[in-house]
Amino acid sequence: DGGITQSPKYLFRKEGQNVTLSCEQNLNHDAMYWYRQDPGQGLRLIYYSQIVNDFQKGDIAEGYSVSREKKESFPLTVTSAQKNPTAFYLCASTLWGTSYGYTFGSGTRLTVV
Amino acid sequence: QKEVEQDPGPLSVPEGAIVSLNCTYSNSAFQYFMWYRQYSRKGPELLMYTYSSGNKEDGRFTAQVDKSSKYISLFIRDSQPSDSATYLCAMRAGNTPLVFGKGTRLSVIA
Repeated sequence: DGGITQSPKYLFRKEGQNVTLSCEQNLNHDAMYWYRQDPGQGLRLIYYSQIVNDFQKGDIAEGYSVSREKKESFPLTVTSAQKNPTAFYLCASTLWGTSYGYTFGSGTRLTVV
Repeated sequence: QKEVEQDPGPLSVPEGAIVSLNCTYSNSAFQYFMWYRQYSRKGPELLMYTYSSGNKEDGRFTAQVDKSSKYISLFIRDSQPSDSATYLCAMRAGNTPLVFGKGTRLSVIA
């Protein structure tokens, strides 16, 4: 079955560490997105990518980095510069240039310990 | 003013009630409007999609868009306990990324 796989489901980070969240899709979608969800805040856009080797900052990109070396993969690195990284992270994808909605992964819960 | 405003609730209704969920927005360029349902600790799933103004019905769900008022609604008829979730409105202009409301948490009590 086609879909988006996010891993791990739960992740714990120590202060000062960088961690990488994985997002893989087999839907042949070209556009991929990372959102952060905090209680009462809704979904806020971190980064997005329309094509391989290209990505754009979203509304809250500071302290995060991404890469898009393959169409299927869009990993997100939460760096030590992100001061409040504890949140639920959601990856999504869609066919660029269409009116389709996004397909979301099941999310990664990141906690700073 | 935020681009998309949505009352976070929580909203609690008895089983069988009609539920009305709403969002307002400020960007007149928005033309694609969606409603997502999100169960606890899960990713959102697309529930309804509407292009420009008008109504769309799918089973117990009806989505309405009034672009003149910058107001969208989702109605759930004969609500069920399984409808208990957070409902997120989302919208975009052209190929720009989706902008989401904060979500409304709904509880349907049996």
